[in-house]
Parts: sequence; C-alpha cells; structure tokens
Amino acid sequence: QLQLQESGPGLVKPSETLSLTCTVSGGSISSSSYYWGWIRQPPGKGLEWIGSIYYSGSTYYNPSLKSRVTISVDTSKNQFSLKLSSVTAADTAVYYCARLVLRQAMNYMDVWGKGTTVTVSS
Amino acid sequence: SSELTQDPAVSVALGQTVRITCQGDSLRSYYASWYQQKPGQAPVLVIYGKNNRPSGIPDRFSGSSSGNTASLTITGAQAEDEADYYCNSRDSSGNLVVFGGGTKLTVL
Repeated sequence: QLQLQESGPGLVKPSETLSLTCTVSGGSISSSSYYWGWIRQPPGKGLEWIGSIYYSGSTYYNPSLKSRVTISVDTSKNQFSLKLSSVTAADTAVYYCARLVLRQAMNYMDVWGKGTTVTVSS
Repeated sequence: SSELTQDPAVSVALGQTVRITCQGDSLRSYYASWYQQKPGQAPVLVIYGKNNRPSGIPDRFSGSSSGNTASLTITGAQAEDEADYYCNSRDSSGNLVVFGGGTKLTVL
C-alpha cells in the first residue's frame, strides 16, 4: 500500500526558506503513471496547490508562488522535496504531499500524506 | 483567486439527498475530482473522472457534470458525511492544478 510522509522543520523564521521532504513508501516514485505534488492549507482556509513534479524532473508551479518555489525529485531515495523561499506569516499552513494522476481529461490526487504543520514566526 | 467556484456552505437533513456544485470554465474540458476533509485530517478522494469512486468510498457518493458545472451528490446523507468538500481540476491551459474554495456540509 502506497504511503507518503512529509518531514521537515515545524518552525521557520520570516525571510528564510521553508524546506520539506516527502518520502514515498510501498511504491516507486519513478512510475510513469504519476506526478507528485505539494498542497497547503492555511489555518481555517481552503486547499492551495503549490506545484507538481514528474519523476523525470518536469515541474509545474502555481503562478502565485512560482517565483519562490522549487520542487525537486530524488529517485534514488524515493523522495521529492519542496523549497519555498522568503517566507512570511502568510506561508503558515499545513503542508501535504500527494500522488497525482494526470491522464487525458482526468486529474486527481489519490494518495495523500498526513500533512505537516509549518509555522512562520521569529 | 480560484478558477473553480463552490458554495461556501450547504446543509442537508439526515437521510436526504444533497448536491454540492463546482463551477469553472475548465470543467468544459476536464473532469473534476472531489475530496472530503474532516477536521484535523488530510483530504480523502471520493470521486474522480466521469463518476468513479475509489475503493472504500460508499456508493451514496456520485459525481456528474454538465457544461461548466460539476456536481457531487450524496444520496441519503449520513452524520459521518459532515465535512468540508473540495473540487479539483486543471486550469484552462491544462497544465496547472486548481482547487475550489470548498463547501462546508452540515448534516442536520
């Protein structure tokens, strides 16, 4: 059974870079059938897609975050990572990683991590 | 701002049928998927594609689409269905992923 687990610091200072890693277990991140993505949810608010990556390294980012976001993949470790630079309090959120299916007219996220809370504060 | 629009809140009497809608131009080209999220938990996929349910999702959940509107229908709502529901699809370019703002479902 495929599982995703987010990891990284729970507290980041303003203006610094938020770094998270998602470890995939029970399956290969190198499968050609899937993309891998990051989604966040500020307290009391809705879901926001941050970006997605294919095992080959192709990336797609939310235009509103594109200038600050880098998503990378390490197939040897079966992991993908998120870096968000120049963070502010507005980046405080629960961060989820998920597996994405983007196929013809379909798109869905069928496996999610449990989420990790990141607080931006000095 | 989201390219997918959902009503912020909907209520339904226990055992009755409720429809939650999601509007957006990209839904003319791409299917919506639907997620249920309960407090403190990660979202769970409940409907994807034309009208597909992942394993373990009760058959009282169904999906449909017409024009620029996708719908999630719960037939015979149960108390445990009280949750936030989000739709998700792609943007008009097809390259980017978007979420609706979410609908809070209350079961009375």
